[in-house]
Amino acid sequence: EDQVTQSPEALRLQEGESSSLNCSYTVSGLRGLFWYRQDPGKGPEFLFTLYSAGEEKEKERLKATLTKKESFLHITAPKPEDSATYLCAVHPRYSNYQLIWGAGTKLIIKP
Amino acid sequence: DSGVTQTPKHLITATGQRVTLRCSPRSGDLSVYWYQQSLDQGLQFLIQYYNGEERAKGNILERFSAQQFPDLHSELNLSSLELGDSALYFCASSESDTQYFGPGTRLTVL
Repeated sequence: EDQVTQSPEALRLQEGESSSLNCSYTVSGLRGLFWYRQDPGKGPEFLFTLYSAGEEKEKERLKATLTKKESFLHITAPKPEDSATYLCAVHPRYSNYQLIWGAGTKLIIKP
Repeated sequence: DSGVTQTPKHLITATGQRVTLRCSPRSGDLSVYWYQQSLDQGLQFLIQYYNGEERAKGNILERFSAQQFPDLHSELNLSSLELGDSALYFCASSESDTQYFGPGTRLTVL
């Protein structure tokens, strides 16, 4: 069965303490993997799309990487404004743009 | 700002009622998706339209229906509302594979 698992469920860090969020997936062929950020009560905000193993993308303090079985979202020297839930989704090769979503990692950055 | 708009922002109604949520996609996007997110729950895919035609269905209840109009805006109709339908409803649009989400409609059923 195709599925996406994110870990940890929640992560508390001190401001400036770097860490990584994990998104592991099992799908029948991967077309793309997506990372989103969601603030409470708001719509998910698109961050990155990764298509092939070894690909990396960066945006400010965030860097997303992809392997054949998982993706990492690395957060370097985070600030309190980076606090949010980070969602991962995969686009299976057989699917017509219908994504499989992970449950998210709630990140809290304490000042 | 993703460019996707949703109205209304908030909706409070009673059990048994019917409501309509509206979504305007980003300019040029032909695909529209509807999602439900209950309190502290993940995103549940409901339905996808592409250029006016239904393309994919998720866990959408029979009490719920949607359509996409010639101008590409979409409406999600929820009927015979139950307390458990209280949630955030998001619309997303895409040109290819990346979905861009609107701000959502918060539905409260009393």
